[in-house]
Amino acid sequence: QKEVEQDPGPLSVPEGAIVSLNCTYSNSAFQYFMWYRQYSRKGPELLMYTYSSGNKEDGRFTAQVDKSSKYISLFIRDSQPSDSATYLCAMSARAAGNKLTFGGGTRVLVKP
Amino acid sequence: GAVVSQHPSRVICKSGTSVKIECRSLDFQATTMFWYRQFPKKSLMLMATSNEGSKATYEQGVEKDKFLINHASLTLSTLTVTSAHPEDSSFYICSARREVNTGELFFGEGSRLTVL
Repeated sequence: QKEVEQDPGPLSVPEGAIVSLNCTYSNSAFQYFMWYRQYSRKGPELLMYTYSSGNKEDGRFTAQVDKSSKYISLFIRDSQPSDSATYLCAMSARAAGNKLTFGGGTRVLVKP
Repeated sequence: GAVVSQHPSRVICKSGTSVKIECRSLDFQATTMFWYRQFPKKSLMLMATSNEGSKATYEQGVEKDKFLINHASLTLSTLTVTSAHPEDSSFYICSARREVNTGELFFGEGSRLTVL
């Protein structure tokens, strides 16, 4: 079993819909949680960064972390075709030198 | 967010030659930088951790003599692929952490290496 599980998709939604992404993990030591967006042939772009459990909102993006369930989510409201990309969750633990562990990525396609 | 710049973005070289990729943190100092490799439709694989002023720490299975890492200053790390072979063709991405005690990591734009 992988340390971080993420559905590879593809996830196809119509423009304007809410995109819902999630990851589950097994290591209870993880305390920093991130979501990255990666376009083809580009480096990952940090979208959301959360420490420990809770919700965080930034514009159209909302990140949720539930450490008791070892489950994190990213919601994208009012999705646009430009949101079509691969979304990677990542997490780390200070005790492990904050080395990032990535999910496999979910490919999202927003259709106009 | 913080800016990490990588150069070149694309490079094509002949088998047997060496290629250097530069990673710079533009608006912050990074005592630690990370080098990743990504295969098509796959997630990122950590190759090594680059520490300013000391030797890099390589992940298991990564050849340190093949992938030379130098972190000569707080804003620059370089990855040199020595005696490149076609199997070294890949997307290489660097990253840096702006603050030491957080998990927040910023990535460069990536460098696509093609070895003929």
